[in-house]
Amino acid sequence: EAGVAQSPRYKIIEKRQSVAFWCNPISGHATLYWYQQILGQGPKLLIQFQNNGVVDDSQLPKDRFSAERLKGVDSTLKIQPAKLEDSAVYLCASSFPQGAGLLAFFGQGTRLTVV
Amino acid sequence: SQQGEEDPQALSIQEGENATMNCSYKTSINNLQWYRQNSGRGLVHLILIRSNEREKHSGRLRVTLDTSKKSSSLLITASRAADTASYFCATDGGSGNTGKLIFGQGTTLQVKP
Repeated sequence: EAGVAQSPRYKIIEKRQSVAFWCNPISGHATLYWYQQILGQGPKLLIQFQNNGVVDDSQLPKDRFSAERLKGVDSTLKIQPAKLEDSAVYLCASSFPQGAGLLAFFGQGTRLTVV
Repeated sequence: SQQGEEDPQALSIQEGENATMNCSYKTSINNLQWYRQNSGRGLVHLILIRSNEREKHSGRLRVTLDTSKKSSSLLITASRAADTASYFCATDGGSGNTGKLIFGQGTTLQVKP
């Protein structure tokens, strides 16, 4: 079974620039998550999708971050414009089935450095 | 906001010793999970314990759950250098069937050969 694919693996941008991350979840997984992990901290949930609908985006900084999941499969996370404090690893995960007993499978992450 | 608080933040032991990590959480839960993260990699699921379970084993891992104290512990027995990683607990925050997954800050474990 193929895992969660993310790209790019690394990205360096200047502040105020834009950046986009892509995630392809495991086939058949209805739930997709984007997490932000700052160095030395635990993953912080940014947004959770169930198929192509948003379940939770309460911690997504909506003035600069946006995410979509077209057709309930692949997802993109965009930051525009980036700030220095956005430097982190962005993790995508998917899970199946919904609810009790769900297990999340994570991609390798995209390490973003904003200079 | 983060749900769990792991304790200790960092742990260093010798190979062959046991490692115990604790997690406390704030809200009611349906289940609690432990994940492992090697440096520079994604997280890997280790074990899930449901709110009506008190203890669960998987190989060298033993997880306990005390819902009255809102705490869980992960015990790794006979540790190996390859166990060196960060360990995170995660809960569903009592969210029912929404699939929510909230992580703690993690414990960094170093196992010296």
